[in-house]
Amino acid sequence: GDSVTQMEGPVTLSEEAFLTINCTYTATGYPSLFWYVQYPGEGLQLLLKATKADDKGSNKGFEATYRKETTSFHLEKGSVQVSDSAVYFCALKAGGSYIPTFGRGTSLIVHP
Amino acid sequence: NAGVTQTPKFQVLKTGQSMTLQCAQDMNHNSMYWYRQDPGMGLRLIYYSASEGTTDKGEVPNGYNVSRLNKREFSLRLESAAPSQTSVYFCASSKDTGSYEQYFGPGTRLTVT
Repeated sequence: GDSVTQMEGPVTLSEEAFLTINCTYTATGYPSLFWYVQYPGEGLQLLLKATKADDKGSNKGFEATYRKETTSFHLEKGSVQVSDSAVYFCALKAGGSYIPTFGRGTSLIVHP
Repeated sequence: NAGVTQTPKFQVLKTGQSMTLQCAQDMNHNSMYWYRQDPGMGLRLIYYSASEGTTDKGEVPNGYNVSRLNKREFSLRLESAAPSQTSVYFCASSKDTGSYEQYFGPGTRLTVT
């Protein structure tokens, strides 16, 4: 079946550091890929998406590129802020599937 | 426009008690979902409703029932709560099941003692 694997957290960084959160996937066909963010005490919200190979999703300074050859969708940001502290979920939605498959989430803690 | 709302925000139950978690959306979405979130487990789908009048089991439906009351509302019922159901419960909606984006409510933190 479909699955998403994310790096274990927490990831702890200082403000203005470079961020990478790794995500790899297994799916039949060509899924759409997503990153969701969950701020403390809130529900998940969509951060960015990519629907086909080589697409780059971007939002709020975050980027992720759909790499079919490595089945990856790593999240990056050049300079993190304290306000980026949250849990980040990688997810996929396979063609014809009603339901997205979520990774386990990676907690990011940014210190001033 | 409130998006997806859930009640209650917090609840403590004793083993064997029952309760219903309420969810409503005001975005005229066709599809609604119930997830549970446990530490280290990510999100797991309990039930979903592709459209008004239909419901289907997700990954972890045992111990739960759902009702799609109308297009706006989708409730989750625990008939006889167990400590294993201690979790954070999220309701979500999407325009339809083919949509890319789901919109999540703020969650209900449930503790069963």
